[in-house]
Amino acid sequence: GAVVSQHPSWVICKSGTSVKIECRSLDFQATTMFWYRQFPKQSLMLMATSNEGSKATYEQGVEKDKFLINHASLTLSTLTVTSAHPEDSSFYICSPTGLSGTTDTQYFGPGTRLTVL
Amino acid sequence: QKEVEQNSGPLSVPEGAIASLNCTYSDRGSQSFFWYRQYSGKSPELIMSIYSNGDKEDGRFTAQLNKASQYVSLLIRDSQPSDSATYLCAVNNWAAGNKLTFGGGTRVLVKP
Repeated sequence: GAVVSQHPSWVICKSGTSVKIECRSLDFQATTMFWYRQFPKQSLMLMATSNEGSKATYEQGVEKDKFLINHASLTLSTLTVTSAHPEDSSFYICSPTGLSGTTDTQYFGPGTRLTVL
Repeated sequence: QKEVEQNSGPLSVPEGAIASLNCTYSDRGSQSFFWYRQYSGKSPELIMSIYSNGDKEDGRFTAQLNKASQYVSLLIRDSQPSDSATYLCAVNNWAAGNKLTFGGGTRVLVKP
């Protein structure tokens, strides 16, 4: 499978601060990046889809001004949670897909656990 | 109605037995079907992908797909305690933007 890294793996922040999460595809070029979040005991929910060099497309109910996604290169995408609040506490997971992937198989990064106090 | 449905479990299985997980989906246009395993606190890892009707085997895992019935299943043979996890079924319709739709997951408990 693909090698994907996320940083940080966990973060605790105060309410009102912003947090940036990095996702790197280490062994292939990620033309598309999916960002998911997962609340406790729930399944993964897609937040947004971004293509390299383009603006992200957000799912219904996800605030684009709150969750800023940058996909400026084929190996790096970032998700910034702006003015974080306790309800944003969740497990955020990236999933890059790219040119060397097997059809549409999606692999996932290790995830970032965000806790907002 | 949820697009991808799974029994939430827990599915309790004795060690060495077969665990049978089921998943139904509503989008008849779906072309790709995946099973992921997720341990608590970790991100999902791909177990199987299946695209055609029938069975696909990989080690102790067998995925079964029936598009007419909109049903996909996963069998885990010789279940081990390390198989205890949540199993997520995911479905993809390429025409809908190549986005995975996940079921709620089935929690499996393998008891020694």
